[in-house]
Amino acid sequence: QSVLTQPPSASGTPGQRVTISCSGSSSNIGSNTVNWYQQVPGTAPKLLIYSNDERPSGVPDRFSGSKSGTSASLAISGLQSEDEADYYCAAWDDSLNGPKYVFGTGTKVTVL
Amino acid sequence: EVQLVESGGGLVKPGGSLRLSCAASGFSFSTYNMNWVRQAPGKGLEWVASISSGSGYIYYADSVKGRFTISRDNAKNSLYLQMNSLRVEDTAVYYCAKEDYWGQGTLVTVSS
Repeated sequence: QSVLTQPPSASGTPGQRVTISCSGSSSNIGSNTVNWYQQVPGTAPKLLIYSNDERPSGVPDRFSGSKSGTSASLAISGLQSEDEADYYCAAWDDSLNGPKYVFGTGTKVTVL
Repeated sequence: EVQLVESGGGLVKPGGSLRLSCAASGFSFSTYNMNWVRQAPGKGLEWVASISSGSGYIYYADSVKGRFTISRDNAKNSLYLQMNSLRVEDTAVYYCAKEDYWGQGTLVTVSS
């Protein structure tokens, strides 16, 4: 059962900006950093954003992340056809029975 | 080049056991925390377990605690997941992951 809530889908035309939200709580996003993963169907997930807003080497700068309070967002500017994929947010959760790494429910991005 | 290669997946009956392995190369394995994450068919990502670089810290998802055991052998650059008392709901692709890179996964099917 996912602890982080994302919209099930998002879409845009090539060149548009798409934003995906990730809603959590004080025990996860509110007190830990957020990572974002991209998963093209049939392939392994790839780290897209770490520590809220940092991009690993090789990730285009049209991907950006932000965090405020108990929510986070991923923005894709200048949407391209190859961005069609599933996107997941994730964060450590300081649960009472030990730390847990929790993923969002996932958002399918469609390029129209 | 970083490589994480999972093996050991397959078909097992409910109540059975399976041991997954992950062979790591291309980075200093002994200095990284490692993780197992799974994805049921058509579903989202679910964190399974994490182990610190020196095995001093180990965490499990509630859904597998008491049934699964994560371990590592830094001399062999290998990560393991011993899965006992398997259930139908454990059916998934299991990914071995470091903080910024995931393997391609190995499929575990639990069915009678």
